[in-house]
Amino acid sequence: AQSVTQPDIHITVSEGASLELRCNYSYGATPYLFWYVQSPGQGLQLLLKYFSGDTLVQGIKGFEAEFKRSQSSFNLRKPSVHWSDAAEYFCAVGENDYKLSFGAGTTVTVRA
Amino acid sequence: DVKVTQSSRYLVKRTGEKVFLECVQDMDHENMFWYRQDPGLGLRLIYFSYDVKMKEKGDIPEGYSVSREKKERFSLILESASTNQTSMYLCATMTGYTGELFFGEGSRLTVL
Repeated sequence: AQSVTQPDIHITVSEGASLELRCNYSYGATPYLFWYVQSPGQGLQLLLKYFSGDTLVQGIKGFEAEFKRSQSSFNLRKPSVHWSDAAEYFCAVGENDYKLSFGAGTTVTVRA
Repeated sequence: DVKVTQSSRYLVKRTGEKVFLECVQDMDHENMFWYRQDPGLGLRLIYFSYDVKMKEKGDIPEGYSVSREKKERFSLILESASTNQTSMYLCATMTGYTGELFFGEGSRLTVL
């Protein structure tokens, strides 16, 4: 069975600083990988996804993620964080049967 | 834009009551999902449906059932609510297998 680990429960970052959120997965083949964001009081929204091809994926809101097969990782990055990036971020892995498995989430706090 | 509407944002029910959570989507997506979200556990799939009257169990179906009589509507039913079903319930849709889930704003259920 596939599983997703987000090692960091909570990260605090200063506005303008870089951000990296870690995600590790357990899956036999090459999975489909996703990052979702849940802003306060809002529904979850897809940031980016990886199915195949270029291992560096660009998403919305200036985010990117890199798939590293050797490390079973799909870490999310942003070069310069804005206060509006304060949210909870979820990594997810899927097969082709519509069942996505989500990690426990990482809460990002942005300080001025 | 896809709109996924969950009829109740907040509900308070008593142990043993039957609870209906309704979800309606307006974009003709084939696939609909019910997740529950708990702190530290992320999102866990309860049930999903890939067509009218079709359903499949997710990872935690015990204590829940679903109904999909029309393509746009997917209902989650708690036959006899228990306190451990206190949670945030999220409805989502997907078209084909894009991996992109469109979420409603959630229904926060408290069972006393």
